[in-house]
Amino acid sequence: DQQVKQNSPSLSVQEGRISILNCDYTNSMFDYFLWYKKYPAEGPTFLISISSIKDKNEDGRFTVFLNKSAKHLSLHIVPSQPGDSAVYFCAASASTDKLIFGTGTRLQVFP
Amino acid sequence: DAGVIQSPRHEVTEMGQEVTLRCKPISGHNSLFWYRQTMMRGLELLIYFNNNVPIDDSGMPEDRFSAKMPNASFSTLKIQPSEPRDSAVYFCASSLPGITNYGYTFGSGTRLTVV
Repeated sequence: DQQVKQNSPSLSVQEGRISILNCDYTNSMFDYFLWYKKYPAEGPTFLISISSIKDKNEDGRFTVFLNKSAKHLSLHIVPSQPGDSAVYFCAASASTDKLIFGTGTRLQVFP
Repeated sequence: DAGVIQSPRHEVTEMGQEVTLRCKPISGHNSLFWYRQTMMRGLELLIYFNNNVPIDDSGMPEDRFSAKMPNASFSTLKIQPSEPRDSAVYFCASSLPGITNYGYTFGSGTRLTVV
């Protein structure tokens, strides 16, 4: 039973364009959401987060949008750069210490 | 700080052998997590500890898996006996209590191959 779903295993985007990564969740108790980025042979690293009391959080080229009614969040990267090529994981928590992760989306940014 | 340290980085073992993965969390972090990464399930939480006490082990797949945290600076994940389907990358992560703005800090992982 996958509570956090990333339905697109991969995404390919041209450098300079927008990358949009999507994530859906099923547990209405989730109140904190995070995105992690993972390069090969490294552990995931924190990218950006959002609380359920907000619908948008921005940090430089990265923006996360939360639509609670649709149980959907997305990560926008503008403009995309080749160094953004990595696997992106969406994660959620329900006021506990436990983060539930999705299956990941592999982003490739080409010149 | 050196971050979360995992060892070994790679482990190749034969089916039926015992495997022990090790983790040293960041000093001062009270929570420690073991995750497994597979293509099908992504990052799957196996077990987590708060102040060295196991809180939730519902993700441990079978009795063949066990984890310990004898002190605040060390944890092990043991698989006995190992099977080919256990092949995956195992990550350890640590954090301060609760979900902070920055989530968890992960180690570099142990790639386990069971042949």
